[in-house]
Amino acid sequence: KAGVTQTPRYLIKTRGQQVTLSCSPISGHRSVSWYQQTPGQGLQFLFEYFSETQRNKGNFPGRFSGRQFSNSRSEMNVSTLELGDSALYLCASSKLNGQGGAQETQYFGPGTRLLVL
Amino acid sequence: QKEVEQDPGPLSVPEGAIVSLNCTYSNSAFQYFMWYRQYSRKGPELLMYTYSSGNKEDGRFTAQVDKSSKYISLFIRDSQPSDSATYLCAMSGETSGSRLTFGEGTQLTVNP
Repeated sequence: KAGVTQTPRYLIKTRGQQVTLSCSPISGHRSVSWYQQTPGQGLQFLFEYFSETQRNKGNFPGRFSGRQFSNSRSEMNVSTLELGDSALYLCASSKLNGQGGAQETQYFGPGTRLLVL
Repeated sequence: QKEVEQDPGPLSVPEGAIVSLNCTYSNSAFQYFMWYRQYSRKGPELLMYTYSSGNKEDGRFTAQVDKSSKYISLFIRDSQPSDSATYLCAMSGETSGSRLTFGEGTQLTVNP
C-alpha cells in the first residue's frame, strides 16, 4: 500500500512569493492534516480537511490556506512568504470517518522542506 | 506555557541501555497519547498509541500514561544504534478530530 506522498520535496522561494504544496493521502483515507515543523516550535498544526471541508484550523495567519479535492488529495498555499515560513511542511492522512470518537492513526508523509530567502 | 512539554535533549546512551523519554501536559481533555519516531529528513512514524491511562507494551517499547499526573513516558529496552532518532510525543482529545498537539521532540543517539 503506497504511503502518503508529498511534492515537491524541496523548495526555495524568496520573500513575498507564494507557494503551493501538494499531498496525496493513503488510498481510502479521507482526512488530511497539515503541520509545520521548525527547530524552535516543533510540529504545529495548520489545518485539517475532511470531505473537501476544513474541519479544524490552527493558530496561523490567513496567509496559510488549504483545500481538499474530491479524491482526497490536498494542497496548501502560503502567500506573501516571510523568512520565518522556512520549515518542513508535513502532511498526514487518516481514515477518520468524520463522526468524531476514537482517534484514528495518522500516517505522515516525508514532508516538503521550504526555504525562504 | 506550551500545552505539551518535552525535554529536547540531546540524549546519548550506550547500546543496550534502557532509555526513558517523558512528556508532561497541561490540557486535561487529552485522552489519546502517541509516540512518534522521526529519522533525519523523514516524516514521523507512529510507534505507540495509548488511550487514557495505563501501560502498553510492544516488543522493546513500553508506553505509560498517568493522567492523574499529566505525565507520559516511553521506555526503550535493549536500545540499538538503529533507535537513534528524534522521539515525539503527541496528544489529542475526543473533540480534536485529527488535530495532534506535539512535544518538541527528544533527540536520541544510541552509541555502538
